[in-house]
Amino acid sequence: EPEVTQTPSHQVTQMGQEVILRCVPISNHLYFYWYRQILGQKVEFLVSFYNNEISEKSEIFDDQFSVERPDGSNFTLKIRSTKLEDSAMYFCASGQYSGNTIYFGEGSWLTVV
Amino acid sequence: KNQVEQSPQSLIILEGKNCTLQCNYTVSPFSNLRWYKQDTGRGPVSLTIMTFSENTKSNGRYTATLDADTKQSSLHITASQLSDSASYICVVSAIKAAGNKLTFGGGTRVLVKP
Repeated sequence: EPEVTQTPSHQVTQMGQEVILRCVPISNHLYFYWYRQILGQKVEFLVSFYNNEISEKSEIFDDQFSVERPDGSNFTLKIRSTKLEDSAMYFCASGQYSGNTIYFGEGSWLTVV
Repeated sequence: KNQVEQSPQSLIILEGKNCTLQCNYTVSPFSNLRWYKQDTGRGPVSLTIMTFSENTKSNGRYTATLDADTKQSSLHITASQLSDSASYICVVSAIKAAGNKLTFGGGTRVLVKP
């Protein structure tokens, strides 16, 4: 069964460093998302991406964050200068149509020290 | 503000028993409601998705109900198994022009004991 894949699975980075989290969505999907989940808390929406542009972003997704679809398969989340509070599990998700099931990757666990 | 509230926060049940999880939401305009299962440290996995016109949907031993008038949903687990131990998350989608914006509940942590 097709799946969303994410790399790395774990990353430890120093505060102030740039981090890029990578995702390969399911191949025929058109809608892409990033969510995050701080340990012990609920999953939070970060950004949605459709037709090569951001369609919506949350208040969490400030100027430190950016997303890119550099080629036909990858979808990346960049955090320019990481803060301690960016430590979380970051989930990439994709969906074929707007109202359809969204499939989540296994997550990238980011620890900022 | 769009919100999704789940109850109970956690529950322990014996293997083979049934349980029901509750979800109340205030998301508007409503598009659909989803139940996800999330194992610790893993990504959420979709169990069911229901639109406004659907009252019930089953996926194996999982049965979800939706009352769009009262904005309530439930997830019933029948004959629980040890592998059902996980967090169950109610997720409500608002209608958007491009893509879904999902609002997540805090989840109900289920522990099935032998």
